[in-house]
Amino acid sequence: KNEVEQSPQNLTAQEGEFITINCSYSVGISALHWLQQHPGGGIVSLFMLSSGKKKHGRLIATINIQEKHSSLHITASHPRDSAVYICAVSGNEKLTFGTGTRLTIIP
Amino acid sequence: NAGVTQTPKFQVLKTGQSMTLQCAQDMNHNSMYWYRQDPGMGLRLIYYSASEGTTDKGEVPNGYNVSRLNKREFSLRLESAAPSQTSVYFCASSEFSNVGGRVDNSPLHFGNGTRLTVT
Repeated sequence: KNEVEQSPQNLTAQEGEFITINCSYSVGISALHWLQQHPGGGIVSLFMLSSGKKKHGRLIATINIQEKHSSLHITASHPRDSAVYICAVSGNEKLTFGTGTRLTIIP
Repeated sequence: NAGVTQTPKFQVLKTGQSMTLQCAQDMNHNSMYWYRQDPGMGLRLIYYSASEGTTDKGEVPNGYNVSRLNKREFSLRLESAAPSQTSVYFCASSEFSNVGGRVDNSPLHFGNGTRLTVT
């Protein structure tokens, strides 16, 4: 079974700061997903990637397949970015999820 | 485009009662999933369905049954609810294929969740 570890578990930052959330996994995968969950809200897929880097607005996701590691970066963070960010990996139809990183951006 | 529709949003049950959580997707996805989310733990797979008419157990299937009667709908049933089943439940769907060893995933689409309390 794939083990997925995220760090940090909690992160508080000031508005405007550059944010990095990390995800490591133990077994080879076909894809890695970054998800966002707002308090009391649903879960939204931010990125799905199997190699390289993807960018969407202020969010950037990278993956290093050899090192089994991915990072999610947020540039110019804003209070509306406050949420739980979840990393998940898939080797087949099933996904394994990390426990999430709770991000709080203070105005 | 509704995506994944999950009902109900909230439910309170007494121990021993039964209920069915409904999930429907309009994206023509082949794979559908039921997860539960508990504080301090990652999403855990209860059951999944790779295609219409097929279902498989996930990580925590005990106390649950599922039904995939057609491609759109995947329901989760609690036959005799227990306090340990108090949780937030999410349905999800995606398109998955494995042809000749080539694996293709699509992003996951989640329903809005069902907050279930069993007293």
